[in-house]
Amino acid sequence: AQSVTQLDSQVPVFEEAPVELRCNYSSSVSVYLFWYVQYPNQGLQLLLKYLSGSTLVKGINGFEAEFNKSQTSFHLRKPSVHISDTAEYFCAVGGGNTPLVFGKGTRLSVIA
Amino acid sequence: GAVVSQHPSRVICKSGTSVKIECRSLDFQATTMFWYRQFPKQSLMLMATSNEGSKATYEQGVEKDKFLINHASLTLSTLTVTSAHPEDSSFYICSAPAQGGYEQYFGPGTRLTVT
Repeated sequence: AQSVTQLDSQVPVFEEAPVELRCNYSSSVSVYLFWYVQYPNQGLQLLLKYLSGSTLVKGINGFEAEFNKSQTSFHLRKPSVHISDTAEYFCAVGGGNTPLVFGKGTRLSVIA
Repeated sequence: GAVVSQHPSRVICKSGTSVKIECRSLDFQATTMFWYRQFPKQSLMLMATSNEGSKATYEQGVEKDKFLINHASLTLSTLTVTSAHPEDSSFYICSAPAQGGYEQYFGPGTRLTVT
């Protein structure tokens, strides 16, 4: 079985400060990891994904994540956040013809 | 990238009525589609797996007679909420796997409000 734990339900951060949103996963099969962003009353937008290869993955909007197999983590980072980054962020594991398993989400609030 | 559409984007219905939500893969074929439900301030929970030409597979606790899924073609899956009640009010999102890949493409979601 696969599962995802997002360690922080809410993360407040000042504008232009760095941020890290934490994600730990559990999987007994090949690991495919994803980060999605959801703005209020909207669907999901893919930020980045890890399928194989380089453990440092760069995504859209200046986000990046590092796959760490030994720590079973896939933390999301951004060196300098903007007000427009305020949203809900979901980490997910799975993919292909199997459904994604989502974490509970982290609410990122960027403070001016 | 591939596009998945949903219709309608928002629907309000009275308690006891039925509502149909469509999920379409616009530029690729999808033999499998997934239906998720998201309650306010919560995560996405898988409801069912829709399989083209065969019966859907429902997650534990999801009533198959209440949430009817039909995957009649390689580009269309429908979710019908029958005899809707206020507790069915939620955000319903579908997804379809990329052909030969590991990514999934999500629809924009349907906000259902049952009054």
